[in-house]
Amino acid sequence: NAGVTQTPKFRILKIGQSMTLQCTQDMNHNYMYWYRQDPGMGLKLIYYSVGAGITDKGEVPNGYNVSRSTTEDFPLRLELAAPSQTSVYFCASSYRTGTVYEQYFGPGTRLTVT
Amino acid sequence: DAKTTQPTSMDCAEGRAANLPCNHSTISGNEYVYWYRQIHSQGPQYIIHGLKNNETNEMASLIITEDRKSSTLILPHATLRDTAVYYCIVRVQTSYDKVIFGPGTSLSVIP
Repeated sequence: NAGVTQTPKFRILKIGQSMTLQCTQDMNHNYMYWYRQDPGMGLKLIYYSVGAGITDKGEVPNGYNVSRSTTEDFPLRLELAAPSQTSVYFCASSYRTGTVYEQYFGPGTRLTVT
Repeated sequence: DAKTTQPTSMDCAEGRAANLPCNHSTISGNEYVYWYRQIHSQGPQYIIHGLKNNETNEMASLIITEDRKSSTLILPHATLRDTAVYYCIVRVQTSYDKVIFGPGTSLSVIP
């Protein structure tokens, strides 16, 4: 299994541009998440999904949109990029086995908005 | 979910045990304690979790106090590769799986 993959690894955007961060998992996990991590800070949950067709807001959803048309894919859309969205973005997926809710994270996308 | 408090940073000598504390004084009866770590520039990695009994796996041990208001993650023989930020999270096993991360403890393993 490739696990959780994210593309691109790095991106520089100009203010006002749009882009989609891609996330794919091949573990057939129902739950998927997007986090952002600003320098020296912990992770902040942007959006999450409990299954195909179902998404919900996390702690910091403003300026982002998501969709979940398949179990495997959970893209994150930035419509009008702002410097405040400069961050590292992590996608994650998880499953439940008994009491275990282990999250698997992708390698991250480093986004700079200038 | 209950709030956690961890020291901002800690040092540990290579080969010694690293003991990382976490306070979760408002934890409720159905909340589990989870530990993740994040090595620089990588995505976080699950380490271990527990409810009230002590737990051990190939990576670490988790000691939870009897009143469940605090816990300690133990890395028995720290190596330089254990240098990372360690996150303590308490959460309910609900039907969805939203995990909120705090700032964590930055552990530096020193040669």
